[in-house]
Amino acid sequence: DAGVTQSPTHLIKTRGQQVTLRCSPKSGHDTVSWYQQALGQGPQFIFQYYEEEERQRGNFPDRFSGHQFPNYSSELNVNALLLGDSALYLCASSASGGQIGGYTFGSGTRLTVV
Amino acid sequence: QQPVQSPQAVILREGEDAVINCSSSKALYSVHWYRQKHGEAPVFLMILLKGGEQKGHEKISASFNEKKQQSSLYLTASQLSYSGTYFCGTVSGGSYIPTFGRGTSLIVHP
Repeated sequence: DAGVTQSPTHLIKTRGQQVTLRCSPKSGHDTVSWYQQALGQGPQFIFQYYEEEERQRGNFPDRFSGHQFPNYSSELNVNALLLGDSALYLCASSASGGQIGGYTFGSGTRLTVV
Repeated sequence: QQPVQSPQAVILREGEDAVINCSSSKALYSVHWYRQKHGEAPVFLMILLKGGEQKGHEKISASFNEKKQQSSLYLTASQLSYSGTYFCGTVSGGSYIPTFGRGTSLIVHP
């Protein structure tokens, strides 16, 4: 059973560019959450998608946007990249809000902004 | 607000026990626990819902004291495979989104 799949695994972008990260959730999961993890820190919540709508959003600027498709897969878009956006971006999927089986995380996309 | 985890780091020998604590300033609905090995995805260990329950997962168990807004993760007879960074994720009323602490690094030596 495939878990959460993220692509690409690594990405290098120039300041000011735009980036799109992709996530396929675990089979049977309908909710996708995106987290940013800086080195040595815990994951920070960006937003969560359910039924193709943004259900909740963390404390991130509007440069961060997302989308969920009918097959539950999701994209994270970041515009006008800043050096501080360099981090590991984790996608997590869950069923029923994750209050029973928790979240299943992907291995992440390592974004480096130069 | 981010929960506070303690200690920041633990170094053990195989077979020794460890306790990792997670405290929040908010009233909690539930607490998630995850383990992340270097370069890998965080892996779900368990979730505790309010009610002061204790859950077990192999030799890893956890408790949740909702009055103190705290949870503790207990690792008994540690194995080399237990090495990694442990994160607690706290869920407060009105949101089902876990807020993660900064993590506790656990190193188990032979």
